[in-house]
Amino acid sequence: GEDVEQSLFLSVREGDSSVINCTYTDSSSTYLYWYKQEPGAGLQLLTYIFSNMDMKQDQRLTVLLNKKDKHLSLRIADTQTGDSAIYFCAENDYKLSFGAGTTVTVRA
Amino acid sequence: ETGVTQSPTHLIKTRGQQVTLRCSSQSGHNTVSWYQQALGQGPQFIFQYYREEENGRGNFPPRFSGLQFPNYSSELNVNALELDDSALYLCASSLDSGTGDTEAFFGQGTRLTVV
Repeated sequence: GEDVEQSLFLSVREGDSSVINCTYTDSSSTYLYWYKQEPGAGLQLLTYIFSNMDMKQDQRLTVLLNKKDKHLSLRIADTQTGDSAIYFCAENDYKLSFGAGTTVTVRA
Repeated sequence: ETGVTQSPTHLIKTRGQQVTLRCSSQSGHNTVSWYQQALGQGPQFIFQYYREEENGRGNFPPRFSGLQFPNYSSELNVNALELDDSALYLCASSLDSGTGDTEAFFGQGTRLTVV
């Protein structure tokens, strides 16, 4: 994922909001994705956003897209201990290109 | 539960050996992609198969090869295993309508350890 960059770690208190940031390079990507990976598990698609949208909300998840800056963010409201995981953003140009992942740790 | 199953879940092989990993796609999906995820990294694209033909390949040597069968299940074969091949191998299936933009469903992965 050298074309997709993410911060590596995020620590957040239970009940607070988490914001995970990502930059990408392929402006032709039609969709941008957020995946969640728990220890020892595969990838779970959390949400995605179509490239002509600025924002998408899905329950506790809000995705913001700034196409000009090629910046994508994922906000998790009311973060819970079950949200502790690695989060990957990915761009799609027939194949998925992933960032290195952001490890989110939720502390009590 | 994505409907994509991979086998085996764990595997230990010796350097120089060959390995075959298997993936059963979600029903109705015609495209399967394989990814390698080394420890602490994001998944890296190996290749994709669409209707039994290779449809794109990432930066992996020829000793990584694959097959897709008429029922759209798939195999990943790795010859002459190296220690650096130790990783989680993920299979993703999708229904490609030709636009290239489609939701991919991942299996739980096969953890390969090369010793």
